[in-house]
Amino acid sequence: NAGVTQTPKFQVLKTGQSMTLQCAQDMNHNSMYWYRQDPGMGLRLIYYSASEGTTDKGEVPNGYNVSRLNKREFSLRLESAAPSQTSVYFCASSEAPRTNQPQHFGDGTRLSIL
Amino acid sequence: AQKVTQAQTEISVVEKEDVTLDCVYETRDTTYYLFWYKQPPSGELVFLIRRNSFDEQNEISGRYSWNFQKSTSSFNFTITASQVVDSAVYFCALRVDRGSTLGRLYFGRGTQLTVWP
Repeated sequence: NAGVTQTPKFQVLKTGQSMTLQCAQDMNHNSMYWYRQDPGMGLRLIYYSASEGTTDKGEVPNGYNVSRLNKREFSLRLESAAPSQTSVYFCASSEAPRTNQPQHFGDGTRLSIL
Repeated sequence: AQKVTQAQTEISVVEKEDVTLDCVYETRDTTYYLFWYKQPPSGELVFLIRRNSFDEQNEISGRYSWNFQKSTSSFNFTITASQVVDSAVYFCALRVDRGSTLGRLYFGRGTQLTVWP
């Protein structure tokens, strides 16, 4: 019962470096999401993919890119990391919208930008 | 626009006390879903409950209960006889499946609950 798997769990980067956060789900869900969690801010949506082959911006997309590689995988890329991107990143997946099914979350990636 | 407000940033109680976490939401849509998630100190997000806008029945699950009132746009969460293991951050979230908001969750800022032994 893996659910949603995120890698890595922890990462420290220097300003200007790039990296890709990986996310995979094994529940055959159509929709996938990337959120960031900052202290006192709750979770904010970065990008989402309603179905394979589509991606859309969320609330805070600047500085990020995404790829929906296939139905299972949805990656988040930081091209040039900035200290403001220090955060905990969560990937989530769900069945197609218009159902009452909840989103299932990965365990998060703690990212620090120095 | 969609919005979720959790006015209580932090709550501290002593074990066995009852505690209610407040959630107020805003949406102009008549069809929507409400969720509660728990985030323990280990950091993962655990789904607790969902409610759709057409179902105003309150729900009880063990020590947990939820009070959904459309008239006040509130979806409050009560823990009865709290335990130390209930210590966590609790998030309320709203989903409206329409247009550009399709499937996305709008989260409140969370309430940090600390239960002391």
